[in-house]
Amino acid sequence: DGGITQSPKYLFRKEGQNVTLSCEQNLNHDAMYWYRQDPGQGLRLIYYSQIVNDFQKGDIAEGYSVSREKKESFPLTVTSAQKNPTAFYLCASTKGGTYYGYTFGSGTRLTVV
Amino acid sequence: KNEVEQSPQNLTAQEGEFITINCSYSVGISALHWLQQHPGGGIVSLFMLSSGKKKHGRLIATINIQEKHSSLHITASHPRDSAVYICAVVRLETSGSRLTFGEGTQLTVNP
Repeated sequence: DGGITQSPKYLFRKEGQNVTLSCEQNLNHDAMYWYRQDPGQGLRLIYYSQIVNDFQKGDIAEGYSVSREKKESFPLTVTSAQKNPTAFYLCASTKGGTYYGYTFGSGTRLTVV
Repeated sequence: KNEVEQSPQNLTAQEGEFITINCSYSVGISALHWLQQHPGGGIVSLFMLSSGKKKHGRLIATINIQEKHSSLHITASHPRDSAVYICAVVRLETSGSRLTFGEGTQLTVNP
């Protein structure tokens, strides 16, 4: 079955280290997204990509970087510049254009100690 | 004011009760998603709606586009329904579609 795979489900890192979260989809979707969730807040957009080799900053991109070298993969790197990296991270995808159905990963909970 | 508001923020029910979670939004949308987030964080997509009503098992979702409102109903609630329920609206923009999320409703169903 097609879907989005986020791995790992739980991730622990030491402060000051960069960490890369994986997001892979086999849906042939053009658009992919990364969101962050903090306690008591709605999910907020970090980065998105509408097409391979292109991506745009979302509302809270500072301290994060992404790449989109392949259609099926959209990894997110949490850099040491991100002041509060501990959060839940969600990846999503959609066909793009005027299509409005999204598919969601199950998420990765990152804890920085 | 948030573009997507959910109510209530927290809801405690007894097993078997009928539950309603509401989602109101202030922008024009193309569709609305309901998501379930279990303790430990995993997200499950429940419904996508652009009009009317959908049913899956004990879950029913409705949307009224004119009133900018959606509801998620759970019939015969069970402790395993305890989770955070999140609504997310889809807007189509010139650069593509965009999701805006509500803050979620924490549901606890006691046996």
